[in-house]
Amino acid sequence: DAGVIQSPRHEVTEMGQEVTLRCKPISGHDYLFWYRQTMMRGLELLIYFNNNVPIDDSGMPEDRFSAKMPNASFSTLKIQPSEPRDSAVYFCASRGTGAFVDTQYFGPGTRLTVL
Amino acid sequence: QQQVKQSPQSLIVQKGGISIINCAYENTAFDYFPWYQQFPGKGPALLIAIRPDVSEKKEGRFTISFNKSAKQFSLHIMDSQPGDSATYFCAASSSGSRLTFGEGTQLTVNP
Repeated sequence: DAGVIQSPRHEVTEMGQEVTLRCKPISGHDYLFWYRQTMMRGLELLIYFNNNVPIDDSGMPEDRFSAKMPNASFSTLKIQPSEPRDSAVYFCASRGTGAFVDTQYFGPGTRLTVL
Repeated sequence: QQQVKQSPQSLIVQKGGISIINCAYENTAFDYFPWYQQFPGKGPALLIAIRPDVSEKKEGRFTISFNKSAKQFSLHIMDSQPGDSATYFCAASSSGSRLTFGEGTQLTVNP
């Protein structure tokens, strides 16, 4: 199993540009989570999906952020327009369903720098 | 009520020593308490987890101690090694819902 795959691994962009982060969850997992990690705020949950449906997006900071999951094997997190304060590491994680299946598996992250 | 408070923020231990990280929670509905380990440039990875029906779980050098009445749980790393140097996060969830993470502890084990 390849694990959770994220792309790109690094993204440098200028303020005002659109940024799209991509995630491929582990095959068979039906939960997908997007997190943001910064020194100041730690690990924050932005949004999570179950069976491709957004369940809780209360962590999405503002309307500039949007996330989609068009199918079970792909999700995107889009920031438009990007701002310097969006600079962070963004992680995608996936999880299966079933008794005592709680482990979230994290991807390697995308380090975003907005100049 | 959804918060998980973690301490200390950073910890320095000598090789062979015991590392102890503590977490406290408020939500009594939490029923799953994992610890994640994160190395620089990597995503967090599950280290060990416990459910409230037991007070302790041990896996190798890593032990979770759980105190349901005090709503606290802790991670003990015995015989700490330089390779254990990483950031550790406690977390909690209820009925398989979203994980609530603590603030993280940066552990440094000196050789």
